[in-house]
Amino acid sequence: DGGITQSPKYLFRKEGQNVTLSCEQNLNHDAMYWYRQDPGQGLRLIYYSQIVNDFQKGDIAEGYSVSREKKESFPLTVTSAQKNPTAFYLCASSKVGYGTQYFGPGTRLLVL
Amino acid sequence: GENVEQHPSTLSVQEGDSAVIKCTYSDSASNYFPWYKQELGKGPQLIIDIRSNVGEKKDQRIAVTLNKTAKHFSLHITETQPEDSAVYFCAASTNGNQFYFGTGTSLTVIP
Repeated sequence: DGGITQSPKYLFRKEGQNVTLSCEQNLNHDAMYWYRQDPGQGLRLIYYSQIVNDFQKGDIAEGYSVSREKKESFPLTVTSAQKNPTAFYLCASSKVGYGTQYFGPGTRLLVL
Repeated sequence: GENVEQHPSTLSVQEGDSAVIKCTYSDSASNYFPWYKQELGKGPQLIIDIRSNVGEKKDQRIAVTLNKTAKHFSLHITETQPEDSAVYFCAASTNGNQFYFGTGTSLTVIP
């Protein structure tokens, strides 16, 4: 069953804590993306990667970090520097260059 | 950077009627325009897309039109059904890798 998975579905963060959101795909896609979705707003790009060990900042990268050690995996860390982390986080993957983006089911991050 | 505006933010139609959602973009270099459908609690799913060298594209009850001169593109859904109820997003890209999304339209189809 091919697709893109995200875990956990819900995540709670305490003040000053870093948390990591998981994203895995078995579609053999080179490109992977992280978006943030807030109520009433469109998706905003946090980071994207077109190849292993390389990634680029999107429009709202501050307070976030990523790694791309494997083609299948693109974890996102929400650091304590992100002062307003409560949002719905979506991971996507695609072929490089005008490929259809396939989205995971999302992770909802809440602050305690 | 690119700015994509989407209207309306909410839309209610009777089952069987048509629905139209409109988007404008600012960067004339944008050349790829996908539309996504997002159901509650799920990730968006591509429903149709169009490249800048095409003015219109259809897929059964769904169609997208593009006016490059005016920098706007629209989604048309005909013969709407209750299962069409969802949030729809437009997006624009200049390179097929970095996308700018509209703010979404919540469509409700009333049986």
